[in-house]
Amino acid sequence: DTGVSQDPRHKITKRGQNVTFRCDPISEHNRLYWYRQTLGQGPEFLTYFQNEAQLEKSRLLSDRFSAERPKGSFSTLEIQRTEQGDSAMYLCATTPSGSNTGELFFGEGSRLTVL
Amino acid sequence: GDSVTQMEGPVTLSEEACLTINCTYTATGYPSLFWYVQYPGEGLQLLLKATKADDKGSNKGFEATYRKETTSFHLEKGSVQVSDSAVYFCALLTGYSTLTFGKGTMLLVSP
Repeated sequence: DTGVSQDPRHKITKRGQNVTFRCDPISEHNRLYWYRQTLGQGPEFLTYFQNEAQLEKSRLLSDRFSAERPKGSFSTLEIQRTEQGDSAMYLCATTPSGSNTGELFFGEGSRLTVL
Repeated sequence: GDSVTQMEGPVTLSEEACLTINCTYTATGYPSLFWYVQYPGEGLQLLLKATKADDKGSNKGFEATYRKETTSFHLEKGSVQVSDSAVYFCALLTGYSTLTFGKGTMLLVSP
């Protein structure tokens, strides 16, 4: 399978714990996006990378959230001191370099449940 | 700011019925418009798009026309199948911004 891969698919954690999600993009897709989707809502933009550079961050991305893409390939999204309001599906999407056509390729998501 | 409003679901239809899912938008400038679909257990995928006024996007029997005068991009299909059951998201993109999605509309098609 050469699609966008996300890991883990499901994570249950206790409030206050840290969690990390990983996204492996489609090869040769240099733009990588993180979105968050809560129940009954559409995806909401969090941040995006062009290669290893983080070019934009949403105001939704509080200082407890950090995203990295150290070698311009896979990316991680870490949430520190999780809160119940962080419970959501975290989506990764990629698109070819230089392209802002809105044609994103999404992974299946990582579902976070904070108890 | 940019926003997308979709009709609330679920939309429940019998096989071979006609489908319309309404989508209206608010945006600065001239956005590109999209419909994404999420089948059960799968990631979102692009269904169709239109980049300028009066363009019609089409794919898999679905169509949507970019109506600037009514700021709408309604999704239509003449005859739905059970396999069309999914959640449909309308979205827009302006300039160098990122996609803004609506809340999604669930479609349930029964045999």
